[in-house]
Amino acid sequence: EVQLLESGGGLVQPGGSLRLSCAASGFTFRSYAMSWVRQAPGKGLEWVSAISGGGGSTYYADSVKGRFTISRDNSKNTLYLQMNSLRAEDTAVYYCAKDTEYDSSGVIDYWGQGTLVTVSS
Amino acid sequence: QSALTQPASVSGSPGQSITISCTGTSSDVGGYNYVSWYQQHTGKAPKLMIYDVSNRPSGVSNRFSGSKSGNTASLTISGLQAEDEADYYCSSYTSSSTLNYVFGTGTKVTVL
Repeated sequence: EVQLLESGGGLVQPGGSLRLSCAASGFTFRSYAMSWVRQAPGKGLEWVSAISGGGGSTYYADSVKGRFTISRDNSKNTLYLQMNSLRAEDTAVYYCAKDTEYDSSGVIDYWGQGTLVTVSS
Repeated sequence: QSALTQPASVSGSPGQSITISCTGTSSDVGGYNYVSWYQQHTGKAPKLMIYDVSNRPSGVSNRFSGSKSGNTASLTISGLQAEDEADYYCSSYTSSSTLNYVFGTGTKVTVL
């Protein structure tokens, strides 16, 4: 059974940093691209970042480019999102998501339950 | 990259069919057959319902179907059931963004 378990969310002040982790199990982690998708309270889904199975290709939304860094450790079956210079508008539930292909296809077949990030003073 | 346009809400009675539209441009929906649809119940993670315009993942009811015409994709739910009440999001590949994927604005489906 595929499982994606996010951690690392919480309350952080504007300008602060946070690192999200996503522990994956139930599939060959290195064989699939992974993404982070967020959802602000009461709002729609927004693609944040994606990374290929080997980690060699990364993609970012314009809204987070230069502030967020996606990475993965295939030896630990773990996906990360380093978030710096956080803003109030980054407040959202962040979902870890598994792609259906090695190189990001944009089709997400499994989602984690999400971790809430709140940026507020 | 702007979000794809969906109606804010669609409603129907049990047993009826409803259709949700997802409108983009030739740089996304109209230019590629890479449209997906996700269902999200309140407080839950999204679930993949349709991919590559009209393909259903294993385990998804055949009451759900997808299609595309020009720059607009559509999700049709036939034989509407109470459990179908949820938010629905389309997604498409796009050549207009470095991230290459964009979601729709979302549609709340209400079963009357």
